[in-house]
Amino acid sequence: EIVLTQFPAILSLSPGERATLSCRASQSVSSNYLAWYQQRRGQAPRLLIYGASRRATGIPDRFSGSGSGSDFTLTVGRLEPEDFAVYYCQQYATVPLTFGLGTKVEIK
Amino acid sequence: QPQLQESGPGLVKPSETLSLTCSVSGDSVTNSAYYWGWIRQPPGKGLEWIVSFSYSGSTYYSPSLRSRVTKSVDASKNQFSLKLRSMAAADTAVYYCARQFCSTTSCDAFDIWGRGSLVTVSS
Repeated sequence: EIVLTQFPAILSLSPGERATLSCRASQSVSSNYLAWYQQRRGQAPRLLIYGASRRATGIPDRFSGSGSGSDFTLTVGRLEPEDFAVYYCQQYATVPLTFGLGTKVEIK
Repeated sequence: QPQLQESGPGLVKPSETLSLTCSVSGDSVTNSAYYWGWIRQPPGKGLEWIVSFSYSGSTYYSPSLRSRVTKSVDASKNQFSLKLRSMAAADTAVYYCARQFCSTTSCDAFDIWGRGSLVTVSS
């Protein structure tokens, strides 16, 4: 099983600042089958990024993903008020599909 | 935009079987391009994948839950379902259904999610 470790657990930032979230896999994620989801309070997760760097339909370009192998990054260029949420990475390269424990981006 | 909607009992007694249904609109459960999945989230915790499967029957299970899971698809109602046996307090969670694009060789991320159905296990 691929274990995904996300850090930091909590990121305290102000609107307009840049957010950098990390996801490290316990082994290489083949074909960069790594996704990022945003979950606002009380809502279902929403797909932001797939294939490590491809934005899902309708996702603003302030969200970008990068990385390969076992180290991946989600960057939010300038935080909008609606971006304060929990973010999860997920690998879909091997079964069982696994998620990280999440990074909470909170208002400083 | 396709939509998914879970429906379930809300409350299940310990040792009983949970039955959940996901109704699909704007797409067809028989669409060979997609797998249909279930993911759960205990209160205040992270996401746990349970199962993904296609209408044709190809299925991937979480090893930790496989022995307790039954899945099915009802094309006439455009729904798919999950049964989870021997429920315990640790199974209390919000259960989400989701769609996953799959080619002949690989599957992609979950692109469409339902709103979730809270299931509490308690006597």
